[in-house]
Amino acid sequence: AQSVTQLDSQVPVFEEAPVELRCNYSSSVSVYLFWYVQYPNQGLQLLLKYLSGSTLVKGINGFEAEFNKSQTSFHLRKPSVHISDTAEYFCAVNSGSQGNLIFGKGTKLSVKP
Amino acid sequence: EADIYQTPRYLVIGTGKKITLECSQTMGHDKMYWYQQDPGMELHLIHYSYGVNSTEKGDLSSESTVSRIRTEHFPLTLESARPSHTSQYLCASSGTGLQPQHFGDGTRLSIL
Repeated sequence: AQSVTQLDSQVPVFEEAPVELRCNYSSSVSVYLFWYVQYPNQGLQLLLKYLSGSTLVKGINGFEAEFNKSQTSFHLRKPSVHISDTAEYFCAVNSGSQGNLIFGKGTKLSVKP
Repeated sequence: EADIYQTPRYLVIGTGKKITLECSQTMGHDKMYWYQQDPGMELHLIHYSYGVNSTEKGDLSSESTVSRIRTEHFPLTLESARPSHTSQYLCASSGTGLQPQHFGDGTRLSIL
């Protein structure tokens, strides 16, 4: 069975500092990986996705993620965060060709001035 | 921007009431999903549908039921609400293949 582990439940960081949110997955088949962001009192919004091709994926709001098959990781990075990046971030893996997602528990990013 | 709508956004209601949470999308997506989300926890899939008249239970057992009579509409019903049903419910939809899911803003349900 597929699973997703987000290693940090909370990440505090100062504004303009770099940040990395970690995500590891387990799967015995081909994987398709996603990062979503959830702002307070809202649903989830897609940040970026990896389906195939280049292992470095660029998304919205300056975020990027790198698919590492040997380490079964899909860490999310941003070189310089803003206060407005404060939100909860969810990593997800596709559970098969049908499109059902398995989500991690989320990482709360808190950007301080 | 995705066009998927959930109503109501917030609902506080007493035990034993029948509740229907509405979800509609205007993108013509065949696939629709309901997730339950508790604070600090991952999203759990409770129902999904791959098209009209098709519904399946998800990974998390739920006392709720769903229907899919029209492509754009995927309501979730609780026949008799209990405090254990207090949670946030998120609806999503997606197109064919591996297209990403688009989410509504959720319904925060509180059963007294």
